[in-house]
Amino acid sequence: AQSVTQLGSHVSVSEGALVLLRCNYSSSVPPYLFWYVQYPNQGLQLLLKYTSAATLVKGINGFEAEFKKSETSFHLTKPSAHMSDAAEYFCAVSDPNFGNEKLTFGTGTRLTIIP
Amino acid sequence: EAGVTQSPTHLIKTRGQQATLRCSPISGHTSVYWYQQALGLGLQFLLWYDEGEERNRGNFPPRFSGRQFPNYSSELNVNALELEDSALYLCASSLIAGVTYEQYFGPGTRLTVT
Repeated sequence: AQSVTQLGSHVSVSEGALVLLRCNYSSSVPPYLFWYVQYPNQGLQLLLKYTSAATLVKGINGFEAEFKKSETSFHLTKPSAHMSDAAEYFCAVSDPNFGNEKLTFGTGTRLTIIP
Repeated sequence: EAGVTQSPTHLIKTRGQQATLRCSPISGHTSVYWYQQALGLGLQFLLWYDEGEERNRGNFPPRFSGRQFPNYSSELNVNALELEDSALYLCASSLIAGVTYEQYFGPGTRLTVT
């Protein structure tokens, strides 16, 4: 079965500092990987996705993530944090046993930006 | 283009009652997914509908059920509500199953069971 581990349920960074949110996955076959963001009282918005093309994926709002097969990781980064980045971030992996349709989510990381 | 819409925004029910949640996918999307986001439990996959048929369900009891209509909108029904059913229920849609992979989420329905 697929699984996703997000290290750190809460991460705080200063405005302007590097954002690094960690995601590790387990999968018996090459997965598809996603990062979603959830702002308070809203649904999830897709930030970026990896679908076996380039290993460095650029997303919206200046975020990017790098797929590292050897480390089974898909960490999310942003060079300079902005106050508007405060939200909860979810890493998700697709399940190839169901045509990559079923997503398994990590438990989420709440990002706080310190002014 | 309108996004995924869900109704109602909030729903308050008492234990033992039934709840019906509704979802309208993005126009042209044929797959609809339901997730439960309960406090402390993260997002759990509930159901997946495509072309009117249930394709897969998560590890939830049978009192969680649903359907997809010919216009691809969907309904989630929860019977015999229990206190632990209190959660945010998120609906998502995708264009064509197995092709585009990304799912677009609605704002959710917050169900409170008292």
